[in-house]
Amino acid sequence: DGGITQSPKYLFRKEGQNVTLSCEQNLNHDAMYWYRQDPGQGLRLIYYSQIVNDFQKGDIAEGYSVSREKKESFPLTVTSAQKNPTAFYLCASSIVTGRRNNSPLHFGNGTRLTVT
Amino acid sequence: QKEVEQDPGPLSVPEGAIVSLNCTYSNSAFQYFMWYRQYSRKGPELLMYTYSSGNKEDGRFTAQVDKSSKYISLFIRDSQPSDSATYLCAMRIPSGSARQLTFGSGTQLTVLP
Repeated sequence: DGGITQSPKYLFRKEGQNVTLSCEQNLNHDAMYWYRQDPGQGLRLIYYSQIVNDFQKGDIAEGYSVSREKKESFPLTVTSAQKNPTAFYLCASSIVTGRRNNSPLHFGNGTRLTVT
Repeated sequence: QKEVEQDPGPLSVPEGAIVSLNCTYSNSAFQYFMWYRQYSRKGPELLMYTYSSGNKEDGRFTAQVDKSSKYISLFIRDSQPSDSATYLCAMRIPSGSARQLTFGSGTQLTVLP
């Protein structure tokens, strides 16, 4: 079955440590995204990538970094510079048709990161 | 003021009830409207995807867009306990960038057997 796989499902880290969240998709989608979800708030865009070896900052990129070396993979690193890293992190992907990207997002099942 | 407002609930209804979930928005440039369902500790899954104004029906679900009022709705007929989830609205302007996708904060729905 095609889909998006995020791992691990739960992640615990000590404050001051960097941590990398994995996201892999086999949907052959060009674009991939990372969102953060906090209780009572909508999804907020961290980073997105529309093509391999290129990515753009979203609305809350500070303290995060990404890479897009392969079409299928878009890992997110939460660095020690992120002041409030405990959250539910969602990876998504979508088709890019021509120069427009109006297709809906398909999401993975998320990684819950807890930093103490 | 948030660009997209959604009543967070929680909303509890008895099985078989008609459910109405709503979002209001302020940006008149939004043209694409989506509803996602998110079960606890899972990622959102796409329920409905509509362009511009009008209604779209899929089984027990109907999405309605009223651009003149900047108001979208999701109706669930004959609600089931399996419909218990958080429902997120999302909308975007026609663009080549994902930045223009904006989500509501979600409405938590519980359907009681």
